[in-house]
Order: sequence, then structure tokens, then C-alpha cells
Amino acid sequence: DVQLVESGGGLVQPGGSLRLSCSASGFTFSTSAMHWVRQAPGKGLEHVSVISSNGGNTYYADFVKGRFTISRDNSKNSLYLQMSSLRAEDTAVYYCVKDYCSSTNCYHFDSWGRGTLVTVSS
Amino acid sequence: DIQMTQSPSSLSASVGDRVTITCRASQAISRNLNWYQQKPGRAPNLLMYAASNLQSGVTSRFSGSGSGTDFTLTISSLQPDDFATYYCQQSYSSPPTFGPGTKVDLK
Repeated sequence: DVQLVESGGGLVQPGGSLRLSCSASGFTFSTSAMHWVRQAPGKGLEHVSVISSNGGNTYYADFVKGRFTISRDNSKNSLYLQMSSLRAEDTAVYYCVKDYCSSTNCYHFDSWGRGTLVTVSS
Repeated sequence: DIQMTQSPSSLSASVGDRVTITCRASQAISRNLNWYQQKPGRAPNLLMYAASNLQSGVTSRFSGSGSGTDFTLTISSLQPDDFATYYCQQSYSSPPTFGPGTKVDLK
């Protein structure tokens, strides 16, 4: 079975940084595009970023562009999200999500982790 | 960006009811529409992809239809496990966008 386990969330002050990690198992990680999707408390779902299976292509939502960096290490079956210049509005549960495809433009979210909560507050 | 809307935003239904949720895209998206179910405190779960294809392991109580701008998710006979929030999502163009959700609760 596919397993995606996020870690690295927590409380951070506005302007601070945080690095999220996602450990993947149960599938061939190197053949799947991977995403971060977030959900603010009591709100809907927002796509944050995607990285292609080989890491060669990435995409960012406008609201995180220049502040967040997605990366992956296929040798470790791991996905990362480096977040900097954090704002109160970045407060959310961040989900690691597997795509059915290897490319960045499929957006077929077939498996989700349980999420990690990021709280940006002073 | 393509805007997604859903109606109703919430509904109350009884076990055994037939339930229909509508999703509309701000522009034509062919059949590039997915549906997710989310229970409180849990991650979303893919139910349906490409408008009408049932994800592996999902009960056939769920069905989907539509193309272009208008789509529906139908639950043929609502079961206790189906009380949840349902989201549609377009995969036609970047960025992928979600509807605001439809909460289905017990009447």
C-alpha cells in the first residue's frame, strides 16, 4: 500500500522558515510526480507546488513563488518543501500528494499523506 | 486560473437517499475533473477521475458524469460512511483548482 508520511510542521514566527519532509513507500517513488497541497483551518484545498518524477520540472502557485522551494531525493524516496518568509496566511495543514503521472501537468492526486500542520504566528 | 464552484455548499440527507452534487468550471475543461471525499481530521481521498472513472477500491455507489463546464457526483444510496465533504478539482490546466466543497451531513 502507498504510504506518505509528512513531518517538519510546527509553530514558526512570521518571516521565519521551515522545511517539510515527506517519506514515501509502497510504490516506485521515482516514477511519480509529487505535490504539496495545503488546507487552512476550516477552509478548502489549495495546490502549492509540484515536482516531476525526475525533479527536472517544478511549478509553484503564485502565492508561494519565490518563497517556497520543492525538491526530492529519489534515492531516499523523499519529498521536501523549503518554506521561507512565512506569513500568517500560510498557516495550514500541508499534504504530501502522489500523482498518477510522472509529469508535472497531470494533477491526478491518487494518494495523500495525513498532513502536517504549519502555524505561522508570533 | 479556472474557477470551480459547487452546489449546494451543504446538504442534509438520510441513509438510503440518492444524493447529487454539482460542480461547474469557469471555462470548458473537457472531462478533466476529479472528485475527492474528505472526512473530518483526515486527508482527502480520490473517488472519481476523468469525470466518470471510479478510482480503484471505491464503492460503486458513487458515479460521476459531465463534460465541458458542468459535472455531477451522485451517491446512489447514501450510507453512514458517506457523510463527509466532497471536493471537485479540475486537472485541465495549471494551476489545478478545487471547488469550495459540499458538506453532506445527517438529516
